[in-house]
Amino acid sequence: QKEVEQNSGPLSVPEGAIASLNCTYSDRVSQSFFWYRQYSGKSPELIMSIYSNGDKEDGRFTAQLNKASQYVSLLIRDSQPSDSATYLCAVNTRDDKIIFGKGTRLHILP
Amino acid sequence: GAGVSQSPSNKVTEKGKDVELRCDPISGHTALYWYRQSLGQGLEFLIYFQGNSAPDKSGLPSDRFSAERTGGSVSTLTIQRTQQEDSAVYLCASSPRLWETQYFGPGTRLLVL
Repeated sequence: QKEVEQNSGPLSVPEGAIASLNCTYSDRVSQSFFWYRQYSGKSPELIMSIYSNGDKEDGRFTAQLNKASQYVSLLIRDSQPSDSATYLCAVNTRDDKIIFGKGTRLHILP
Repeated sequence: GAGVSQSPSNKVTEKGKDVELRCDPISGHTALYWYRQSLGQGLEFLIYFQGNSAPDKSGLPSDRFSAERTGGSVSTLTIQRTQQEDSAVYLCASSPRLWETQYFGPGTRLLVL
């Protein structure tokens, strides 16, 4: 089983709708979870970090963590064309490293 | 403040040549990381530094790859006898402490002909 899994997409969402991005991880002792956004040809940039179960909101972004299900998600409300990018999930591991998923490509339809 | 900087931004080299990539982390960040990203692929972790020390070099693709960090700041990634499969974007990131939120540089795009 891969350590961090994401659906590669593309995920197409109409402008103004909610985009839901999902990530599962294999290491039960993981404690730190990150969502990065990467525009084509650019470097990843941090959107959210989350460390405890539940929801964490920042503007239009909400990160959701469920450690029992080993699942972390990112919701983007009122999706904008500028949200079109690849979203990378990153998780720390038991040997204290951070592993990135391969990313989900999100396309917001105008 | 200034972010992570990398140089050169682009490098074209011939197969068999050595290349050196440089990363200047955010001031005060003790941890530094190197990744490789091939076209359309995810991030491949290469190596990390805690201060000047790199405890785990197992992520380096081959013995042609080496990295060092001096003075707890600038790091260089050296690829000897480059091969075409080394062509990729090499990304550097730094964080205040090890495994905290990483801030990425703009990357070096390496093309080996």
